Amino acid sequence: EAQVTQNPRYLITVTGKKLTVTCSQNMNHEYMSWYRQDPGLGLRQIYYSMNVEVTDKGDVPEGYKVSRKEKRNFPLILESPSPNQTSLYFCASSPGTGVFGAFFGQGTRLTVV
Amino acid sequence: GDSVTQMEGPVTLSEEAFLTINCTYTATGYPSLFWYVQYPGEGLQLLLKATKADDKGSNKGFEATYRKETTSFHLEKGSVQVSDSAVYFCALSDRTGGFKTIFGAGTRLFVKA
Repeated sequence: EAQVTQNPRYLITVTGKKLTVTCSQNMNHEYMSWYRQDPGLGLRQIYYSMNVEVTDKGDVPEGYKVSRKEKRNFPLILESPSPNQTSLYFCASSPGTGVFGAFFGQGTRLTVV
Repeated sequence: GDSVTQMEGPVTLSEEAFLTINCTYTATGYPSLFWYVQYPGEGLQLLLKATKADDKGSNKGFEATYRKETTSFHLEKGSVQVSDSAVYFCALSDRTGGFKTIFGAGTRLFVKA
């Protein structure tokens, strides 16, 4: 089954404790992206990657890091989480950019206290 | 920069009513346009898309036409069902904008039996 898998689904952590949210896709897609969803703001793009070792900032990259060492994986790293990073996070992948639309993961609800 | 504006919700309709959710955009280039749907507790699913002016995207009874002259991509359905209750997001992807994807804030739809 074609899917984008995020882990964990729920996470509560404390300020400053480094964490990683994993994302994996089994569709051999080139393009992957991370978003955060906040009430009234829709989805905002954090980072995206057009292929292995190619990443670029979205609209809200501050406080986040990503890496793309393999085509299927695109982890999101919060080196020093803060309460304003409490949000619902989605990973997405697509076969290319622009015209294809994206497949989304189930989401990771992160709470930073 | 690029942006997407959707009508605010929630929108509450009775079953079999006609649905319109307005979406307008601003973009520097020639974007592709998308509608996504998010059911409770789930990630976003691509509903339909259009990649050039005057294209009509359609799926599951929903339709939207890419109107370049009015920079709009309104979502319509002739007869909604209770199962259509969800949050709907309009989005654009513009190569000129560096392959970023911009989402609207989302419109929540409630359909009553």
